[in-house]
Amino acid sequence: KQEVTQIPAALSVPEGENLVLNCSFTDSAIYNLQWFRQDPGKGLTSLLLIQSSQREQTSGRLNASLDKSSGRSTLYIAASQPGDSATYLCAVKEGGGAQKLVFGQGTRLTINP
Amino acid sequence: DADVTQTPRNRITKTGKRIMLECSQTKGHDRMYWYRQDPGLGLRLIYYSFDVKDINKGEISDGYSVSRQAQAKFSLSLESAIPNQTALYFCATSDSPQQGVGFWNQPQHFGDGTRLSIL
Repeated sequence: KQEVTQIPAALSVPEGENLVLNCSFTDSAIYNLQWFRQDPGKGLTSLLLIQSSQREQTSGRLNASLDKSSGRSTLYIAASQPGDSATYLCAVKEGGGAQKLVFGQGTRLTINP
Repeated sequence: DADVTQTPRNRITKTGKRIMLECSQTKGHDRMYWYRQDPGLGLRLIYYSFDVKDINKGEISDGYSVSRQAQAKFSLSLESAIPNQTALYFCATSDSPQQGVGFWNQPQHFGDGTRLSIL
């Protein structure tokens, strides 16, 4: 059974720092990995999707990497801002009939001004 | 206007009541999903639908049913609500396969959620 783990569960850093969020998964047979942002009282916003054949994706100050063989992904946030404060979730898409996303529990990020 | 709209946003009800959560989308996507989110457990898939005539159980479908009334509408029902169904419920959509991308790699787009409390 696929399990997705995100460490740490919470992270607090000063504004301006570069930071890395971690995601690990137990079964490397995935189709893609997706990073989401969740603001309090809001749904999930898709940030980046990395296909299984890709190593990384970039969008603005965000860079996500994928090492499928080791079951790891990182989300790098450059020059963090208070507006980046949110919960970040990673999810892997499994194969088979269900084609479901399996989510990690999330990392709650706080950027202090 | 939101592309994926869930109603209601909040609901408090009593054990044993029948509840329906509704989801509508303007993205024109074929695929729709219902998830629940519990603290410390992440999101788990309840049901998913690849088109109006295709509905499938997810990881935790017991106690739930769904109806795909149209391409744009996907409802989740709790026939007889129980307290451990208290959670945040999300609807999501994704597009069909596209050349060069494949449906495996279509991102899912989420609504703002329905916070459901069952007393």
